[in-house]
Amino acid sequence: ETGVTQTPRHLVMGMTNKKSLKCEQHLGHNAMYWYKQSAKKPLELMFVYSLEERVENNSVPSRFSPECPNSSHLFLHLHTLQPEDSALYLCASSQSMGDTQYFGPGTRLTVL
Amino acid sequence: AQSVTQLDSQVPVFEEAPVELRCNYSSSVSVYLFWYVQYPNQGLQLLLKYLSGSTLVKGINGFEAEFNKSQTSFHLRKPSVHISDTAEYFCAVINTGTASKLTFGTGTRLQVTL
Repeated sequence: ETGVTQTPRHLVMGMTNKKSLKCEQHLGHNAMYWYKQSAKKPLELMFVYSLEERVENNSVPSRFSPECPNSSHLFLHLHTLQPEDSALYLCASSQSMGDTQYFGPGTRLTVL
Repeated sequence: AQSVTQLDSQVPVFEEAPVELRCNYSSSVSVYLFWYVQYPNQGLQLLLKYLSGSTLVKGINGFEAEFNKSQTSFHLRKPSVHISDTAEYFCAVINTGTASKLTFGTGTRLQVTL
């Protein structure tokens, strides 16, 4: 499989659930990103990892917890989310920070 | 900090007609520029990018864009659109020389009809 993959593609969860989003890149890149895409708003950068270290956290609430166990995998752990967290969550990777980013297909999250 | 403005939220166009999607940016330093396309229920796909060199950049699916430094613009064009070009198009910018973040515009919805 090539490029950037994300699972699951769709997720519905209650406000008390705990779930995780997974991203995997098969491009040999060293940087990975989580974005949130809400209707009628620009893409919001959430987290950036470079060489498995978190280098940016854009004031994201603690109910979102990222994890990067190696340079190919990135997780977003979710707990006690709010309905306003419903959005498309996109993962991207690049050779290094500042290089061209390649995106996965996204996970459509609905919080009830 | 940089910013991106896509003035047109929606652009309706007939099939086989030409189209231009506008993008203006603001930055105090040199930038790299990108256009991404998002088809329904999919992630973002890179259409084209300007890093340096020729200001006219050709991308996939017959799209091209021209970098105009004096007007701080990077408009996307296609001479003849197809129904399958219906999608959301995002312009993005990143400052060169530093590992700064990619800043996106709010997107332009291109609606192609018969």
